[in-house]
Amino acid sequence: GAGVSQSPSNKVTEKGKDVELRCDPISGHTALYWYRQSLGQGLEFLIYFQGNSAPDKSGLPSDRFSAERTGGSVSTLTIQRTQQEDSAVYLCASSSGFSYNEQFFGPGTRLTVL
Amino acid sequence: LAKTTQPISMDSYEGQEVNITCSHNNIATNDYITWYQQFPSQGPRFIIQGYKTKVTNEVASLFIPADRKSSTLSLPRVSLSDTAVYYCLVGGASGSARQLTFGSGTQLTVLP
Repeated sequence: GAGVSQSPSNKVTEKGKDVELRCDPISGHTALYWYRQSLGQGLEFLIYFQGNSAPDKSGLPSDRFSAERTGGSVSTLTIQRTQQEDSAVYLCASSSGFSYNEQFFGPGTRLTVL
Repeated sequence: LAKTTQPISMDSYEGQEVNITCSHNNIATNDYITWYQQFPSQGPRFIIQGYKTKVTNEVASLFIPADRKSSTLSLPRVSLSDTAVYYCLVGGASGSARQLTFGSGTQLTVLP
């Protein structure tokens, strides 16, 4: 079956513009995660969804970042008024439930803010 | 949060066994230990998971001592294609997704 997909694969934007990143999780997976990975760094947790609700938004770095999930499936991560420090690879993962279940990762979206 | 500590990098040669140790001194009673592998320009991929003692699958073994304050990922007879970053992940017990924290990982380089 299909894995986790993300779009776009690459996004170049100008400082101050808004961007939307999309994640399509594996069908039936109730848990969805967003991470950020800067060049040469580990993964930074951003937000977690269980169904359509986000019980843990603690990793969002600022109020410019928001995310939603509709229909228990597709999720969108929105970054408003992008800054150069937002440049990174944004990774989405899904799992069949929370806790310690295996997370399946998408290929990521590489965001470059000029 | 169950903080993990891993070596930043390791080198090995093809055909050798590689052991990567992760320290997690404040692991909680119900926490699991999970290892992921990440190749450049790809998302991480699950390798193995365990709670205690030893777990083995087709690609790796995971050794966890009785006190569970550390764990060792063992890769038998590595090849060049095993060159990747390996992450140790501890958590999942309490419901906080921030517990599922990926550290900086261990860059394994397999040399010919």
